[in-house]
Order: sequence, then structure tokens, then C-alpha cells
Amino acid sequence: AQKVTQAQTEISVVEKEDVTLDCVYETRDTTYYLFWYKQPPSGELVFLIRRNSFDEQNEISGRYSWNFQKSTSSFNFTITASQVVDSAVYFCALAGPSYQKVTFGTGTKLQVIP
Amino acid sequence: KAGVTQTPRYLIKTRGQQVTLSCSPISGHRSVSWYQQTPGQGLQFLFEYFSETQRNKGNFPGRFSGRQFSNSRSEMNVSTLELGDSALYLCASRVTGFSTDTQYFGPGTRLTVL
Repeated sequence: AQKVTQAQTEISVVEKEDVTLDCVYETRDTTYYLFWYKQPPSGELVFLIRRNSFDEQNEISGRYSWNFQKSTSSFNFTITASQVVDSAVYFCALAGPSYQKVTFGTGTKLQVIP
Repeated sequence: KAGVTQTPRYLIKTRGQQVTLSCSPISGHRSVSWYQQTPGQGLQFLFEYFSETQRNKGNFPGRFSGRQFSNSRSEMNVSTLELGDSALYLCASRVTGFSTDTQYFGPGTRLTVL
């Protein structure tokens, strides 16, 4: 069975601070895929990144960076110099190989205070 | 390219009624998944359709059903509505449904059951 844990329910930071959102996953598959989505107040989930289990390179995209560590089954997401527009709920998700459903974590609500 | 569209965006029903929600995937996408999102349960997978066939199913009662048409458009039906069915229903599409494919979400249909 697959499981995604986002232990941080809510985080508040002051604008321009860095913030890291944690994601820990469980799976018996050797091949799997990890995702991060952002859900702003409007409700629509916005895709941020996909990572394959065989690619442990960290990734940076502007102010966003992701740290994938298979040894600890973690796929953490860092926002550098946070902005008010980053306020949203962030979901980490996991999919196994082949045609499997995607399992989502419970989400972390990030509030960036001006 | 147009994104995933869902209609209607908002719906109010009373207990015992039934409801049909519609989802049009991104052009070229053949897989459509449905999720229920509530404050208490988070994002829960309902089912996935690919080429008009249900491929995966979540843990929901038989009151929840769906179908997919030859043009990949999908509908979800909930019969005998209960108060607990009040939720944001999200539809997501991906090209083939293979786990490497990224899911793209629609804006959701917010269903309120009175």
C-alpha cells in the first residue's frame, strides 16, 4: 500500500523568509513517481513538479527547490524568499509503476504574512 | 491548449436527490480521474477512466458512479445524496494514465447538500 505523510498541517512565515514543506512517503514499489501540487484559494490544483524514483537529483526552479532522498523516503519542497502569492495548500503525491492511482498527502497550508 | 473544464462550478442539492457532474479533459488526454476533497478527509480518489473503461476505483459506496465517453469526456453521478457528500469534486486528466504522466486538474465542482 502507498502512503504519503505531510506532518505539517499549517505553517505561517513572514514574507521573504525561506520555508520547507516536508513530505514522507511509503511504498513497496521500486519504481514510483512523486509530485507536488499547489492549491490556491481558487481551488484548482496546479502541478509544480514530478520526480522519478530513479532520479535523485535535486531540482531548482526559480524560488522553488526540491530535495529528494530515497534513503529517508522524503521529497521536501523549499520556497526561498517567500511571497504572499505563495500562500496556498501544498500537496505531495505518489504514484506507483504502470497505471496506478495517485495517492495524495493531507496537504500543508502555507500562509505568508506580509 | 485549453485546460480541464468542469461543469457546473457550483451546485446545491438536497438530501436524497441525485447529481451529475461533467468533466472535459485536455485535448489528447485519454485518462480522467475523479477526486473528492473535504476538510476532514482531504483528497480522496474516486475512480479513473481510460478509453471508456474504469481502470481504478477508490473506496466509495456504489452511490458514486462514473462513465467516460468516446471523446474522453467523463461524467460522475452521485445518487441518493447525503449531507456528507458536500465537497469539492475535482477532475484530473492525463495523456494515457500511465504513472509517468502528470495529472492536470480542473477547477472543481463545489457541491453543497442541504
